[in-house]
Formats: sequence, structure tokens, C-alpha cells
Amino acid sequence: QQQVKQSPQSLIVQKGGISIINCAYENTAFDYFPWYQQFPGKGPALLIAIRPDVSEKKEGRFTISFNKSAKQFSLHIMDSQPGDSATYFCAASKGSNYQLIWGAGTKLIIKP
Amino acid sequence: DTAVSQTPKYLVTQMGNDKSIKCEQNLGHDTMYWYKQDSKKFLKIMFSYNNKELIINETVPNRFSPKSPDKAHLNLHINSLELGDSAVYFCASSPGHFSSGNTIYFGEGSWLTVV
Repeated sequence: QQQVKQSPQSLIVQKGGISIINCAYENTAFDYFPWYQQFPGKGPALLIAIRPDVSEKKEGRFTISFNKSAKQFSLHIMDSQPGDSATYFCAASKGSNYQLIWGAGTKLIIKP
Repeated sequence: DTAVSQTPKYLVTQMGNDKSIKCEQNLGHDTMYWYKQDSKKFLKIMFSYNNKELIINETVPNRFSPKSPDKAHLNLHINSLELGDSAVYFCASSPGHFSSGNTIYFGEGSWLTVV
């Protein structure tokens, strides 16, 4: 019940296309859902986050869509660019918790 | 200024040796973490300290021992290194728990190779 399942494991998208990464969770107590971006040789960095009281959050070309009833959330990258090539992690946490539950990561490659 | 800095960045050592990785954060955060990232990129939390108190102690071999001399520092000591310990170790910090939507800030990682 603590798991966050992320798919796909890897994704290749043409430049200018839309990249979509999905995550699903079981624990309905989760109330914070961040996405992290990791470039090779670097640590993960927060990209965008959402709480379950909204169904969508957009920051530039990055959008989180959240479906509370389905217990799913997804990251959409519009107009994908080669510079977006990285590993993306979804995560979830609940309440006053110090631990994030991480997805397994998606390696995204944007082809020029 | 680097927010979360860890040293060394690269470490190659022989099986059976003891090594330490140091971490410092200058963000004024109360909470610090050690994560292990394996070759498949999976992020596994190992330890977390809040104001120098151990709050997360996941199932890791007791050869791994964290030490927090103050809330800006969290070091990781590894005894009797094994081949399976080869991984990237990330130090991280956050202002506190996640109910306020706090962010985790990661260091750049320490690449440990055991030969």
C-alpha cells in the first residue's frame, strides 16, 4: 500500500512532441505528489508538485494531471526538447511525514 | 554556493575497507537524508535525521552508520565494504516534513565503486 508505481520505464519522444509519464498509488492518505527531474551526474531536483485538492497544475511546458478517484497522476511535457532528456521520478507523501515514497523512475530521451 | 555538498564525489576502494562520505547543507534545513541509487536508478532511502535526531532508519546493513554532529551535517560511514555497496549515494535536506509541501534538495552524489 506504500508503493508508487511508475510507467513507462523508458520513453523516446520526438522533439516537439508530448511526453507523458504515469504514476499510480494505493494509499489514499497520500496528500503531496511531487515530480523530480534528474540529469546524468546530478542529484534529482524538484520539477513540479501537486496536492489532491486540484486536478491539474501547470508550470511552463510541464503539467501534472491528478485523478483522485483513480489514484493516478501523470506528468505531461509539452513541446518536448532535447534538453528535457533526463530521468523523471514521481513521488508521494502523507501528512506530517518525513519520507517520500518514490516511483522507479522513467528515462526520457527526446530525439532531435 | 552549493546548497547540499557532499565529498568525495568519486570513491574507488577495495572490498573490506572502511570509508566515509561527508555531507553539509547551508540551507538552514532541519532534516537531512541519505539515499542510495543503484544502477537501475531506483532511489532508496537509508536514513533521515531531524534536528540531529534519527527519524528514519530503513533496513540497511548495520555496516552503514550515519552520524549527525549538528543539523547542518550528516555523514555516512560504511564498514567492511562489499561489492554490492557500489552505487551512488545522495545526501539531501529539507525544511521539514511534507505536509507543507516542503522540497527535498539533493547533493550531486558520491559515486562509490567497490573492487
